[in-house]
Amino acid sequence: SYELTQLPSVSVSPGQTARITCSGDVLGENYADWYQQKPGQAPELVIYEDSERYPGIPERFSGSTSGNTTTLTISRVLTEDEADYYCLSGDEDNRVFGGGTKLTVL
Amino acid sequence: EVQLVESGGGLVQPGGSLKLSCAASGFTFSGSAMHWVRQASGKGLEWVGRIRSKANSYATAYAASVKGRFTISRDDSKNTAYLQMNSLKTEDTAVYYCTAEMATTAFDIWGQGTMVTVSS
Repeated sequence: SYELTQLPSVSVSPGQTARITCSGDVLGENYADWYQQKPGQAPELVIYEDSERYPGIPERFSGSTSGNTTTLTISRVLTEDEADYYCLSGDEDNRVFGGGTKLTVL
Repeated sequence: EVQLVESGGGLVQPGGSLKLSCAASGFTFSGSAMHWVRQASGKGLEWVGRIRSKANSYATAYAASVKGRFTISRDDSKNTAYLQMNSLKTEDTAVYYCTAEMATTAFDIWGQGTMVTVSS
C-alpha cells in the first residue's frame, strides 16, 4: 500500500513563507493534491495535479513536485492560513492521504 | 448552490451495520466520481473508497481497512451516493465525509460530514 509522509507541524510568522512537504514513492507516478482543513470544518481543495490552484484560492498558494516529494508553498502567510494541510495522491483504485501538517502562524 | 449533504450517522454496536447517504445538488452528479473519506477524532484524513460514473461502469474501489465490509453505491436518479457499512468495529468510529470529483480530478467539493460511533 502507498504511504505519504508529512512533518506534523510547521511554524512561521505572518508575512513569511511556509513550505509544507509531502514525500512518498507514489508521487513519482501520480499527481498530488493539497487540502486545507480548519478546526471543525470539512477539508477544502487548495492545489490539484501538483501545481494547479483551485479557483478562489489566493495566488499566495502554490504547489510543485520534484521526484518523490511534493511541496505546498504559502507566500506572505496570513493568520487566517493557520490550519491543517493534507496531501493526497494515488492511482485510480487506491488513494492515500499524508498524515497532515499543522501550520501555526505565530 | 453546489453542495453535498451527508446523513445517516449515529451510534451502532460493534458488529452492526449502518448506511450513510450523500445527497448532491448544483452540479452534474451523474458524471462525477464520488468518494468517501473519514476522520477519527483528533486524527488525519483516511480515504475509504470511491464509485465512478456510469460511463466508467460504476467501478468501485476500497481501502484495505474496509474492503469486504463496506460497499459504495449510487442512485443517479436521486443524485445520491451511499456507503453501506457492515461488521462495524470500534476503530470505524469517525466523521465520514463524502466528496466529489466535480470539476477537477481532485476532491473539489465536500459535505459537512456525519458522525459514526461504534460502541457497546
